[in-house]
Amino acid sequence: DQQVKQNSPSLSVQEGRISILNCDYTNSMFDYFLWYKKYPAEGPTFLISISSIKDKNEDGRFTVFLNKSAKHLSLHIVPSQPGDSAVYFCAASEAGNQFYFGTGTSLTVIP
Amino acid sequence: DSGVTQTPKHLITATGQRVTLRCSPRSGDLSVYWYQQSLDQGLQFLIQYYNGEERAKGNILERFSAQQFPDLHSELNLSSLELGDSALYFCASSVGGHRANEQFFGPGTRLTVL
Repeated sequence: DQQVKQNSPSLSVQEGRISILNCDYTNSMFDYFLWYKKYPAEGPTFLISISSIKDKNEDGRFTVFLNKSAKHLSLHIVPSQPGDSAVYFCAASEAGNQFYFGTGTSLTVIP
Repeated sequence: DSGVTQTPKHLITATGQRVTLRCSPRSGDLSVYWYQQSLDQGLQFLIQYYNGEERAKGNILERFSAQQFPDLHSELNLSSLELGDSALYFCASSVGGHRANEQFFGPGTRLTVL
């Protein structure tokens, strides 16, 4: 049973525009959420996180939004750059326990 | 380079066989985590060791086992392999604790079971 879902397997965006990656979860007890970025032939690397006490966290070009009532998480990348082309995974956990990952969204930023 | 090494990079074997995947954590990291990524699946947490002791268990099959040695490297043993075990296996390490943003992932071992 997939507790964290990324329903869009892929996304293409023009360079300079906004990329919006979405993630839905089912467990209302999740209180910590993260986004990881993965390039081919490499392991995932941490990108940005958000605690359930916040609804927004920003780090440079990356902003994560959390809508607890909708159990929805999104990652905004503005402006998108070709180097952002990668697979993005969202993950969630309850009280710092086991992390549940989504299936990933492959982002392609077109120059 | 995350500092986490995994060997081998690729492994091809037959059903019914047994394989061992190896992970060396970053220097100073006490925790090792194992994840499985099957085709079209997210990362599935398998197991975590902290300083030689099992800390947490996820969706790990009984045919799979792991251990962490005194030098903190870890091995994941997969036995009675089935076609469905074909996947990317990632190891991650962290200094301690549970927070995933502290985990550094290795490049993975791609296992193909024929």
